[in-house]
Amino acid sequence: DVKVTQSSRYLVKRTGEKVFLECVQDMDHENMFWYRQDPGLGLRLIYFSYDVKMKEKGDIPEGYSVSREKKERFSLILESASTNQTSMYLCASSHPPPNEQFFGPGTRLTVL
Amino acid sequence: AQSVTQLGSHVSVSEGALVLLRCNYSSSVPPYLFWYVQYPNQGLQLLLKYTSAATLVKGINGFEAEFKKSETSFHLTKPSAHMSDAAEYFCAVRGANSKLTFGKGITLSVRP
Repeated sequence: DVKVTQSSRYLVKRTGEKVFLECVQDMDHENMFWYRQDPGLGLRLIYFSYDVKMKEKGDIPEGYSVSREKKERFSLILESASTNQTSMYLCASSHPPPNEQFFGPGTRLTVL
Repeated sequence: AQSVTQLGSHVSVSEGALVLLRCNYSSSVPPYLFWYVQYPNQGLQLLLKYTSAATLVKGINGFEAEFKKSETSFHLTKPSAHMSDAAEYFCAVRGANSKLTFGKGITLSVRP
């Protein structure tokens, strides 16, 4: 069974803190993605990666960075958390066409 | 560029009734299309996918979808709704790269 895991299901942080969200997949997929999900806005792509050490900005990269040092692991970093980054964060991975994405369970982040 | 339109944000049906969730897409390349389901506080799970083979696609949990190129549609149906079908449903289209573009999602409620 394919598996994408995320380090935390729920996370509460303070404004200004540096936040790390970790994602691990066990399917040897090349592609990995980070989304945020907000009510009424659907899924919005933050960053994605086609290979180790490669990354590309998605639709809303401001305030975020990513790291992919190993093929199976893709980290999302909030350099200085702000209240408007309170959201559900979803990680996904995919393999070559048809590129269906497999999702982790999500991390609900609250920034106070 | 790719886009997905899911009209409306909420659909309510009675248990045993037909489920119809609409999806229209726009794509500059032959599309791959997907339907995902999300249960509360969980990640997205793939229901079914269209990858240019049969235009009628069967998925899990009794759902199916029909690709209609002339109408640029990929509507999701299930003949008889079950209480366990209550969830949020997302339609997505794959673009020229490996990214997916998601619709805003539609919440399905099932009345007893």
